[in-house]
Amino acid sequence: DTGVSQDPRHKITKRGQNVTFRCDPISEHNRLYWYRQTLGQGPEFLTYFQNEAQLEKSRLLSDRFSAERPKGSFSTLEIQRTEQGDSAMYLCASSLRELVRDEQFFGPGTRLTVL
Amino acid sequence: AQSVAQPEDQVNVAEGNPLTVKCTYSVSGNPYLFWYVQYPNRGLQFLLKYITGDNLVKGSYGFEAEFNKSQTSFHLKKPSALVSDSALYFCAVRDMFGDKIIFGKGTRLHILP
Repeated sequence: DTGVSQDPRHKITKRGQNVTFRCDPISEHNRLYWYRQTLGQGPEFLTYFQNEAQLEKSRLLSDRFSAERPKGSFSTLEIQRTEQGDSAMYLCASSLRELVRDEQFFGPGTRLTVL
Repeated sequence: AQSVAQPEDQVNVAEGNPLTVKCTYSVSGNPYLFWYVQYPNRGLQFLLKYITGDNLVKGSYGFEAEFNKSQTSFHLKKPSALVSDSALYFCAVRDMFGDKIIFGKGTRLHILP
């Protein structure tokens, strides 16, 4: 499978615990995005990287959230001290930045449930 | 601020009939518009995009979308619906200052056999 992959697909955790999600983009893609989707809503942008540089962060991304893309390939999204409001689907997408704007390809998502 | 609106939470269509899923947008400058589909327990799948050129854009699975600048709309259409088209559809616009995508709330499409 040469698409975007995410791990784990599901995560159940207790409030206050830390969680980390991983995203592996399509191999030649240099841009990687994180979105969050809650029930009944469209995905909301969290942050994105071009290669290893984090270029933009949403105000949705509180201090408890941190994302990295250390070698410009896979990325991790960590949530510290989880809260029930963090329960959502976390989506990763990748794209190839070219002159003509390209579409983003999405992974299957990681569903987080905070008890 | 750029945004998209999907005025219908749900659309019901009989199999074989034409379908339309509505979307209106608000952007500064030229719009870059997209439609994505989401099936249960699966990620978003790209259907089609409008960047420039013809107002009728053809995409995957027989879908097409009509860009109307005067009405600021980008409605998704298909001439003959299939039961397998039942899914959640999102209209989206690319932010002109960066590359993030701004999504609408989604429209659930039910194709009735």
